[in-house]
Amino acid sequence: QKEVEQDPGPLSVPEGAIVSLNCTYSNSAFQYFMWYRQYSRKGPELLMYTYSSGNKEDGRFTAQVDKSSKYISLFIRDSQPSDSATYLCAPHTGTGRRALTFGSGTRLQVQP
Amino acid sequence: SQTIHQWPATLVQPVGSPLSLECTVEGTSNPNLYWYRQAAGRGLQLLFYSVGIGQISSEVPQNLSASRPQDRQFILSSKKLLLSDSGFYLCAWGSGTSRGETQYFGPGTRLLVL
Repeated sequence: QKEVEQDPGPLSVPEGAIVSLNCTYSNSAFQYFMWYRQYSRKGPELLMYTYSSGNKEDGRFTAQVDKSSKYISLFIRDSQPSDSATYLCAPHTGTGRRALTFGSGTRLQVQP
Repeated sequence: SQTIHQWPATLVQPVGSPLSLECTVEGTSNPNLYWYRQAAGRGLQLLFYSVGIGQISSEVPQNLSASRPQDRQFILSSKKLLLSDSGFYLCAWGSGTSRGETQYFGPGTRLLVL
């Protein structure tokens, strides 16, 4: 079993739709949860950063963490064509080896 | 503000040739530095990380090596490239705070070994 799993997609939605991107993980020691957005042929950019369980909202984006089920979600409201990218989740324990464990990413296509 | 640079942006190299990719960070001191590789349609694989000058940890046995000659400079090298070394190489820096660490990525170097 991979430590972090994401559906690779592609997920295709019409402009204005609410998008739900999900990630599951197996390591119960993960405490910090990051979402990165990666446009084609570019480096990933940090989108959201949350600690422990709960919700965090930033503009059109909401990150949700459920540690009891080891499930992470990213919601995008009023999706735009410019949101078309690959979204990578990256949980982290906060201690020990400092590198992130990345999911393989979900490719999102928002159709105008 | 912090900025991370990578060069070259694209590189085409023959099998067996040497490699040197460079990464520099501006606007921060004593960062943690990372080299990742991303194969087409795949996730990011950690290759090396460094918590200080001259301190390198290797995650995956391979024909690549890394060096950190200066605080904000990280170099990825190979003496002889293999076809399997093709990929998208990403450098990242992290602040290493006690409450977890966010990492920020450079623009990447696309390497094609022929």
